[in-house]
Amino acid sequence: QSALTQPPSASGSPGQSVTISCTGTSSDVGGYNYVSWYQQPPGKAPKVMIYEVTKRPAGVPNRFSGSKSGNAASLTVSGLQADDEADYYCSSYAGSNNVVFGGGTKLTVL
Amino acid sequence: QLQLQESGPGLVKPSETLSLTCAVSGGSGGSISSSRYFWGWIRQPPGKGPEWIGSIYFSGNTYYSPSLKSRVTISVDTSKNQFSLKLTSVTTADTAVYYCARSYTLLGHFDYWGQGALVTVSS
Repeated sequence: QSALTQPPSASGSPGQSVTISCTGTSSDVGGYNYVSWYQQPPGKAPKVMIYEVTKRPAGVPNRFSGSKSGNAASLTVSGLQADDEADYYCSSYAGSNNVVFGGGTKLTVL
Repeated sequence: QLQLQESGPGLVKPSETLSLTCAVSGGSGGSISSSRYFWGWIRQPPGKGPEWIGSIYFSGNTYYSPSLKSRVTISVDTSKNQFSLKLTSVTTADTAVYYCARSYTLLGHFDYWGQGALVTVSS
C-alpha cells in the first residue's frame, strides 16, 4: 500500500481538462512544499512534470499545473492531448530524510 | 545529455543479495563528484507505484527508506563515476524494476532517470 493516495483512473476527451488528486497527511504533503508529479508511459521511466508543488521543468508544457491545499495536492492537465495518456504518480518529502510516492493514476484520453 | 544506466543480474534467488550498479555519463551534470546533486535508487513492483529506496551524496553520506534501511547499502565510486545498490535477504516481494536517478536535493524531485532494470527474485 502506497503512502500517498491517488485515484486509480481518470479520463477526459481531447481538449478537456482533468485533475488528479494526491492525498497524504500533515507529515508529508501537508507539511512540506516538496510535492512532485511524474508522467510514466508504458514501459518507460517516470518523467518529472511538476516539482515543489507548482514548478514546471523546462520543456514541460504549461498545460500541466500543480497545486496543494492542506494534505492534498493536485495535478491539472488542460487541453488534453492523446500523448498525455500515461500513468501519473505524485511524490512528497515525508520528513526525516524520507520520500514517499503515490500508487498512481492511469489517465485515459477518450 | 546526462545518461544513467543500470546494470546487474536480472534474476536473484530468495535470501540472497541483489546488487545493481548505475553508471553516470554525459556532461558536468553527470559528475558523481559534484556537490550539486544526490543520486538515488527507486524501485517499482509490477503494476504498482514507485518506492524510494535511498540516496547518496558525493561525500558518501547515505539516506535510506525507513522500511528498507536494515537491508540496504548504497555506495559511490567517484573514480568510475558510478554508484551501487545492495539489498540483502531478498524475497519475492523485492521483484521490481529498479531505477537509478538524480536529484538536486534530498527533499526534491528526480530530474534524470535510468531506463530501469527488472530484477526478479525466484528460485
